[in-house]
Amino acid sequence: DTGVSQDPRHKITKRGQNVTFRCDPISEHNRLYWYRQTLGQGPEFLTYFQNEAQLEKSRLLSDRFSAERPKGSFSTLEIQRTEQGDSAMYLCASTPGLAGKNEQFFGPGTRLTVL
Amino acid sequence: RKEVEQDPGPFNVPEGATVAFNCTYSNSASQSFFWYRQDCRKEPKLLMSVYSSGNEDGRFTAQLNRASQYISLLIRDSKLSDSATYLCVVKGGSARQLTFGSGTQLTVLP
Repeated sequence: DTGVSQDPRHKITKRGQNVTFRCDPISEHNRLYWYRQTLGQGPEFLTYFQNEAQLEKSRLLSDRFSAERPKGSFSTLEIQRTEQGDSAMYLCASTPGLAGKNEQFFGPGTRLTVL
Repeated sequence: RKEVEQDPGPFNVPEGATVAFNCTYSNSASQSFFWYRQDCRKEPKLLMSVYSSGNEDGRFTAQLNRASQYISLLIRDSKLSDSATYLCVVKGGSARQLTFGSGTQLTVLP
């Protein structure tokens, strides 16, 4: 499967714990996005990378959230001191970043439940 | 006010019916428009891009009215497999990210 992959698919944690999610984009896609989706809502933008550079962060991304893409390939999203309000589906998407190639391809998501 | 607003539905229609979804957006600088489809507990997938001239893909027709900041999706001869949530999506002029509506849930009944 050459699509976007995410790991883990499900994560249950206790409030106050740290969690880290991984996203592997489609090979050679230089733009990578993180979104968060809660029940009954559309995905909301969190942050965006062009290669290894984090170019934009949403105000939704509090200080407890950090994302990296150290070699411009896979990315990690870490949430520190999780809160119940962090429970959501965390989606990763990638796109080639070429003119006229706008489609963002989404991974299957990581479903986080904070108890 | 949300940047992208959709009627959440649910829309329950019989097989073969024609159904239309509407969406409005608030950022007049938006430049790209899409409809994504999301099946239950799955990731969103691009259904079609929306162009100013309107565009059609089989049973699906999308329309854009920039003056009214309004986007529509028409599904003709609906199939059971069309049951999903349809997300109206907008991309801003300078923003790289997508802005999603809350989605409209469609159930096609046998």
